[in-house]
Formats: sequence, structure tokens, C-alpha cells
Amino acid sequence: DAKTTQPNSMESNEEEPVHLPCNHSTISGTDYIHWYRQLPSQGPEYVIHGLTSNVNNRMASLAIAEDRKSSTLILHRATLRDAAVYYCILRNAGGTSYGKLTFGQGTILTVHP
Amino acid sequence: EAGVAQSPRYKIIEKRQSVAFWCNPISGHATLYWYQQILGQGPKLLIQFQNNGVVDDSQLPKDRFSAERLKGVDSTLKIQPAKLEDSAVYLCASSLFDRTGIFSEAFFGQGTRLTVV
Repeated sequence: DAKTTQPNSMESNEEEPVHLPCNHSTISGTDYIHWYRQLPSQGPEYVIHGLTSNVNNRMASLAIAEDRKSSTLILHRATLRDAAVYYCILRNAGGTSYGKLTFGQGTILTVHP
Repeated sequence: EAGVAQSPRYKIIEKRQSVAFWCNPISGHATLYWYQQILGQGPKLLIQFQNNGVVDDSQLPKDRFSAERLKGVDSTLKIQPAKLEDSAVYLCASSLFDRTGIFSEAFFGQGTRLTVV
């Protein structure tokens, strides 16, 4: 399985933008970049995903490097409710890793009031 | 739409006993995942089903863990016999798989917290 590397933890202040980086140098052409987050005592929830182009939704933006070896999840204005563990995952659309979702350690985001 | 349902929410058992967890995925979701999450770690994939067939069970400890998905809908995960290190949250997730070969986002249940004493 293609691996991702994320910082163990990051901190932000409320209402400031947050940029969460992810490195995935061994990404293959059929790997989608997915982001999930897990709030305390809850199951993970989907945030956003993309293949090559930058993506925006109501929760966040995903910026993907041109060579696809790294990506950044952007929370435009952090709130206290965004404090969670954020996971960057490569999800293959085919092959032997058919739709597999493999979680790493993730980045613990702390948001200060 | 209704989410992924799991039961029970909590379970305490003694080591060497058996336990079973139940998952009802979102209607129409062909892909179902079971994860084990030990405190302080990310979820670890135990098994992935596509309809009622197993796609990946490479990390399932098959000497004690078993899972089935009858009729491609509900699923059960069983541990027999349980060990102390099986104490964890067991998460079920489901995902839609469309005809173009694209997987939708995965939806997770609240999980079952297992304590083995």
C-alpha cells in the first residue's frame, strides 16, 4: 500500500486558517487522495478527496501538488469543533488494493480559543 | 439518510470468552469495512467486503477473529477466544461503489468499545 507521512500534531488559533500537509511520494496514478477526520469518541468522518485538481467543499479545500507527491488540507477558518485527528489516505480505485482505506497515525489538530 | 448502525455500543467480557459485533451498513452500499482502533492509534483495517465476498482480510487474526456478511447486507465480527490485547473500539464503515469503478466516501458507525478483563 502507498504510504502517507503527516506531522504528529499541529496547533492553530480559532478563526485562523489551518494548512495540514501530507506527503505521499509513492502515489500511483490510480490513487485518490482522501482526507478523513476523527473527533473525540466518534468514528472517522469524510472531509474531502481529489485525484489531480484542487478541490473545494463546504468543509475544506484540498490543494494537490502538480507531481501529486504531496497535498495540503486547508481549513479556511478553524473553529473549536475542528479539533480532531486528521488522516490523509491514499485510496486506490483498482488493482489489489481495491477501494482499501488504510489509516496511518494522522495529525492531531489543537485549536486554541 | 440513515447512517451505519452498530451494536452493542459497549461490551465488557473476560479473557477467553467470545463476543460478537453487528453492523448494518447504509442501504445500497456494497463495500463494508471492519476496523480495530486501539487507544491512541489510527484505525486498523481488519476485513473488507464487496457485497458478500471478501476483498481483503490480510490483517484479520484468523485464529480468533471471523467475519461474515450474509446476503451482502448486515455483517457480524466475532472474536473467540478474546485476549486482553483485543480491548479496542471496533468500527464498521460502508461505501457505495458505482458502475464506473469509483468508490464514494466511507461512512462510519459509532463503534463498539470492547473491554477484555
